[in-house]
Amino acid sequence: AQKVTQAQTEISVVEKEDVTLDCVYETRDTTYYLFWYKQPPSGELVFLIRRNSFDEQNEISGRYSWNFQKSTSSFNFTITASQVVDSAVYFCALSGMNTGFQKLVFGTGTRLLVSP
Amino acid sequence: GAGVSQTPSNKVTEKGKYVELRCDPISGHTALYWYRQSLGQGPEFLIYFQGTGAADDSGLPNDRFFAVRPEGSVSTLKIQRTERGDSAVYLCASSFGAVGGTGELFFGEGSRLTVL
Repeated sequence: AQKVTQAQTEISVVEKEDVTLDCVYETRDTTYYLFWYKQPPSGELVFLIRRNSFDEQNEISGRYSWNFQKSTSSFNFTITASQVVDSAVYFCALSGMNTGFQKLVFGTGTRLLVSP
Repeated sequence: GAGVSQTPSNKVTEKGKYVELRCDPISGHTALYWYRQSLGQGPEFLIYFQGTGAADDSGLPNDRFFAVRPEGSVSTLKIQRTERGDSAVYLCASSFGAVGGTGELFFGEGSRLTVL
């Protein structure tokens, strides 16, 4: 079975603070993908990143960075110098070879509130 | 429009009625997905189409749910004998090729279904 746990239900920060959103996953697949999606108030999920299970290199894209650690089954997401526009619900997701790469399993999401 | 379009945006129906939800994917996208999102939860996979055929319908909860994509473009999710537990936001997504490609799914804003 595949499972994604986002233990942080809601995080509140003040603008310019750094914030890390945690994601822990469970899978028996040796080949899998991990994703982060952003869901702003409009409701439309927006793709942020996909990593495959063979690539543990950390990735940075502007103010966003991701830390993938297979040893702890975690794929954490950090926003540096947060902005009000970062306020949204963020979802971590997983898909694996055995259950089908097309079938994403999402966590319950972390709501991020960035206040001015 | 350039994005995934879903209609209606809101649908209120009575228990036992039949409902159709429509998804118009991004032009040229061969893969189409339906997810369901209940309040406070992450999206839950329902079905995936590659072209006209349902490649994976393992997420459909029971035989009251059915989806079609007759011409490989627009898709309709059909729910018979609706129940109050069917109330959720139904999300449609499309992608150019499979998730194993770029990995990016493009989501619509969803159809909010309320069953009274």
